[in-house]
Amino acid sequence: DAGVIQSPRHEVTEMGQEVTLRCKPISGHNSLFWYRQTMMRGLELLIYFNNNVPIDDSGMPEDRFSAKMPNASFSTLKIQPSEPRDSAVYFCASSFTGNEQYFGPGTRLTVT
Amino acid sequence: QQQVKQSPQSLIVQKGGISIINCAYENTAFDYFPWYQQFPGKGPALLIAIRPDVSEKKEGRFTISFNKSAKQFSLHIMDSQPGDSATYFCAASKKNTGFQKLVFGTGTRLLVSP
Repeated sequence: DAGVIQSPRHEVTEMGQEVTLRCKPISGHNSLFWYRQTMMRGLELLIYFNNNVPIDDSGMPEDRFSAKMPNASFSTLKIQPSEPRDSAVYFCASSFTGNEQYFGPGTRLTVT
Repeated sequence: QQQVKQSPQSLIVQKGGISIINCAYENTAFDYFPWYQQFPGKGPALLIAIRPDVSEKKEGRFTISFNKSAKQFSLHIMDSQPGDSATYFCAASKKNTGFQKLVFGTGTRLLVSP
C-alpha cells in the first residue's frame, strides 16, 4: 500500500523563482498537512486541510506561500518568489482521524 | 511560543541500555500525545501514542509514561539497539472542531553505540 507521495524529492532553484511542491495523500485520508523542517525552527506546521478545505493557515510564513488542495488526492505548496531562507525540508502528511498522521518522504528545497 | 518542551537535545546510550526522553507541555487542553521517530532522509513515523486517561502505554521495547498533574510525558526505550539511532519527536494536540493539530517538540537525536 503506497504511503504519502511527494515530488520532487529534491529541488534546487535560484532566488526569485517559483517553486511548486506536490503531495498525494494516502487514499481514504481526509486531512492533509504541510510541514517545514529546519535545524533552527524544528518541525513547523504550515497549513492543514480537512476534506480539501483549508482549516488553519496560521503557520504559513507570508504571502509568498500558498497551498491548494483541488481534490482529495492532490495538494500543492507554492512559493513565489522563493528566497534563500525558504531552504528547508518540506513534508506532507495525511490522516483519517486527525491524530495518526502519516508523513511523506519530504522535499528538500535549496534556494540559492 | 513553544508549547511542548523536549529534552535532552541529544543522547548517547550503549547497546542494551535504557534511553529516556522527556517532554513537558503547557496547555492542559492537550489530550493526545504521540511520539514520532525520524531516520535521516525520511519523514517522521508514528512510534507510539497515549491519551491522558492512562499513565503508561507499552508497545514492545517502547513505553510512554504520562504524568498528568506534572504535565509531563516521557519515552523509554528498553534494551536500546543501534537500529534505534534516530531523532525522536514528542508532540501534543487538542481537539478542535473534530480534528487535531499537532504541536511538536524540538527533537532528540539518539545514538545507540554498539
